[in-house]
Amino acid sequence: AQTVTQSQPEMSVQEAETVTLSCTYDTSENNYYLFWYKQPPSRQMILVIRQEAYKQQNATENRFSVNFQKAAKSFSLKISDSQLGDTAMYFCAFILNNAGNMLTFGGGTRLMVKP
Amino acid sequence: ETGVTQSPTHLIKTRGQQVTLRCSSQSGHNTVSWYQQALGQGPQFIFQYYREEENGRGNFPPRFSGLQFPNYSSELNVNALELDDSALYLCASSLVAGGPWEQFFGPGTRLTVL
Repeated sequence: AQTVTQSQPEMSVQEAETVTLSCTYDTSENNYYLFWYKQPPSRQMILVIRQEAYKQQNATENRFSVNFQKAAKSFSLKISDSQLGDTAMYFCAFILNNAGNMLTFGGGTRLMVKP
Repeated sequence: ETGVTQSPTHLIKTRGQQVTLRCSSQSGHNTVSWYQQALGQGPQFIFQYYREEENGRGNFPPRFSGLQFPNYSSELNVNALELDDSALYLCASSLVAGGPWEQFFGPGTRLTVL
């Protein structure tokens, strides 16, 4: 079974600064995908960034980037130039390539961006 | 383009009752998944429907069941409600099942079981 662990229940960052959220996962499979989802207080979960495990290059989406370390099974999210709208729960998630839509989520990190 | 919608927003039931939650997929999406998110936790996969058939299930008992309709909307039914069923229930749809395809989530239904 696959597991996803987020070791930081809560984090805070000053507006315009950079913050990194940690995620580790455990799997014996080699073909999978990793995601970071954001869940604002309004509850609707939205995709922030995704990474294919077969790609060595780290994914980047505007202010969001990941540090994917496959051997260490680590997948951290870096948010640059933090904005007040980044305040939310952030979930790391994992999916096997042959497992349909069965996402396995971590427990989440609550991020507070302070003005 | 209409996003994923869910109804109702909130629901209160008592232990032993049955509940039906509804989801309308994003236009053109033929795959829908349901997740249970207990307070302070990450979502847990319940099951997935593709072309009106269940084709993937998480670690949930048979009293959790579902339907998908020809228009790809979906229902989640929970029988014999237990206190631990209190949670936010999320529906997600995708254009194609599996792998890197983005799942678009609805706002959820908050179920409280008393």
